[in-house]
Amino acid sequence: VQLQESGPGLVKPSETLSLTCTVSDYFIISSHYWGWIRQAPGKGLEWIGSISHSGSTLYNPSLKSRVTISVDTSKNQFSLKVNSVTAADTAVYYCVDTGSNALGAADWGQGILVTVSS
Amino acid sequence: EIVLTQSPATLSLSPGERATLSCRASQSVGRDYFAWHQQKPGQPPTLLIYGTYRRPIGIPDRFSGSGSGTDFTLTISRLEPEDFAIYFCHQYDMSPTTFGQGTKVEIK
Repeated sequence: VQLQESGPGLVKPSETLSLTCTVSDYFIISSHYWGWIRQAPGKGLEWIGSISHSGSTLYNPSLKSRVTISVDTSKNQFSLKVNSVTAADTAVYYCVDTGSNALGAADWGQGILVTVSS
Repeated sequence: EIVLTQSPATLSLSPGERATLSCRASQSVGRDYFAWHQQKPGQPPTLLIYGTYRRPIGIPDRFSGSGSGTDFTLTISRLEPEDFAIYFCHQYDMSPTTFGQGTKVEIK
């Protein structure tokens, strides 16, 4: 499975961060869950949430009020939106193939750095 | 949420030496739902071990995992130059899934 993140690298405070993950060499609709994980500069890994091929979602309670993950099977993509961003949301965002377990991380995308700054 | 605490924070070893990394969970984790990931500078993490001891295709057998309950271990039997990296433990038994803060294996 190949995963590639795309989206703006700079977002203004209070605005919405939007990223897309394009999946190659595998059909999203086949199975598996798909997720987002982020890593603030010099920090550890934080799970954001996961989505099934049918659209069922799981979110980290710490971010749930600001996060939406969606899937577009026609484009073989899934997406992340984070509302009302602050500098604390500055991080490298990774999309992952979670495998058969919604909370796993079997394959990782290359990651995309998103900086929140005016 | 389950908190994972890794030790040591940094491990200074020479190529050819054995590395032992530990991860302690704040509550019991099922053996089927524990993993280790390796991250090299400027690269994304990669899955190294899953299900406590299982290796994905392509991972050398010098990497081995063990443990149960709240204590898990990653062992690298003989360090190769490409093994110097940061290692994260990961539980995916309970939501939210969580990661340890990482152990950096550096060249002595």
